[in-house]
Amino acid sequence: GENVEQHPSTLSVQEGDSAVIKCTYSDSASNYFPWYKQELGKRPQLIIDIRSNVGEKKDQRIAVTLNKTAKHFSLHITETQPEDSAVYFCAASIWYQLIWGAGTKLIIKP
Amino acid sequence: NAGVTQTPKFQVLKTGQSMTLQCAQDMNHNSMYWYRQDPGMGLRLIYYSASEGTTDKGEVPNGYNVSRLNKREFSLRLESAAPSQTSVYFCASSEGGGRASYEQYFGPGTRLTVT
Repeated sequence: GENVEQHPSTLSVQEGDSAVIKCTYSDSASNYFPWYKQELGKRPQLIIDIRSNVGEKKDQRIAVTLNKTAKHFSLHITETQPEDSAVYFCAASIWYQLIWGAGTKLIIKP
Repeated sequence: NAGVTQTPKFQVLKTGQSMTLQCAQDMNHNSMYWYRQDPGMGLRLIYYSASEGTTDKGEVPNGYNVSRLNKREFSLRLESAAPSQTSVYFCASSEGGGRASYEQYFGPGTRLTVT
């Protein structure tokens, strides 16, 4: 079945540096790739998404890139701030479901 | 506009007890989902409803049943709770007419402990 692998599981960066989280998916029929942020004890919330007909999308300090040929997509956060500390999940759509990655815990060091 | 609401927020059950988790959305969304999230883990799909009147199993349906009561409401029932069902349960909804190609909006979660 469809599988989404997410790396790394934990990422620690200095405040102000960039962070990159990578995901790979297995089903070429996937056409929607969202990224969610989950703060401790809170619900997951969408931060950015991309569709398969687009290669890159940017929203202020956050960007997502998609390589359909290689079946991987990445989240880029620039100029990281303390409020970026959270767990980030990638997902890939397949029919009526989203298949989720295992999550990346992002730690921002002061 | 409350978005997705869930009740209760917290619940403690004894092994073998039953309960129903309630979920409602006021965004006129077609699709609704139930997930569980174990501590430090990702989201696992229990059941989903692509549209009013339909329900389907997700990755981990055993021990659960669901009802799509109407377009707004989607409930999750544990018939005989087990300690392995201790988890945080999230309901989500999406405008998509079935296909998962739209943002999913999550409720605040229900923290369930089974002793």
